[in-house]
Amino acid sequence: GENVEQHPSTLSVQEGDSAVIKCTYSDSASNYFPWYKQELGKGPQLIIDIRSNVGEKKDQRIAVTLNKTAKHFSLHITETQPEDSAVYFCAANDVRFGAGTRLTVKP
Amino acid sequence: NAGVTQTPKFRVLKTGQSMTLLCAQDMNHEYMYWYRQDPGMGLRLIHYSVGEGTTAKGEVPDGYNVSRLKKQNFLLGLESAAPSQTSVYFCASSYEDSSYGYTFGSGTRLTVV
Repeated sequence: GENVEQHPSTLSVQEGDSAVIKCTYSDSASNYFPWYKQELGKGPQLIIDIRSNVGEKKDQRIAVTLNKTAKHFSLHITETQPEDSAVYFCAANDVRFGAGTRLTVKP
Repeated sequence: NAGVTQTPKFRVLKTGQSMTLLCAQDMNHEYMYWYRQDPGMGLRLIHYSVGEGTTAKGEVPDGYNVSRLKKQNFLLGLESAAPSQTSVYFCASSYEDSSYGYTFGSGTRLTVV
């Protein structure tokens, strides 16, 4: 079955800096790669996703890149703000999730 | 539009007790899922359903049962709770299958003592 690894487990950045979270997957048949943001005490919320026929997708300050050959995809957050502080999860075809990255943005 | 609603939000059980967690969605989604979230282990799939009247096992199904008698509801049951089932449980739903993104509920924090 699919196995998804996510790095780093924790990430601390200064407000205004960029943050990058990386995930690798094992099943070459996976074709859908969502990212979720989970704020304290809430359920995960879908923030961006990418399908295997696209290499990059942007939505304002967030972007996701996909390298099908290497089987990895990344979340990029630019101009980070304190409200970006949360736990971020990647997934492959939604079935298997990464272990999560706790992002802290320091004012 | 409520999305996905989970009840209860918190519960404390004694070992051996039983309970049912209820998930309701109002988006006419076909697929529904139950996950558990434990520190450092992310989200692990317990059971899922691809439509009314169907259920299937996920990654960690032991100790749990589910039912999907109505399209909008997905119930998760614990017949004899164990301390290892202390966790935060999330229900999710999706439009057709797992390649359309999930809508998650706000979670149920369960403690088994």
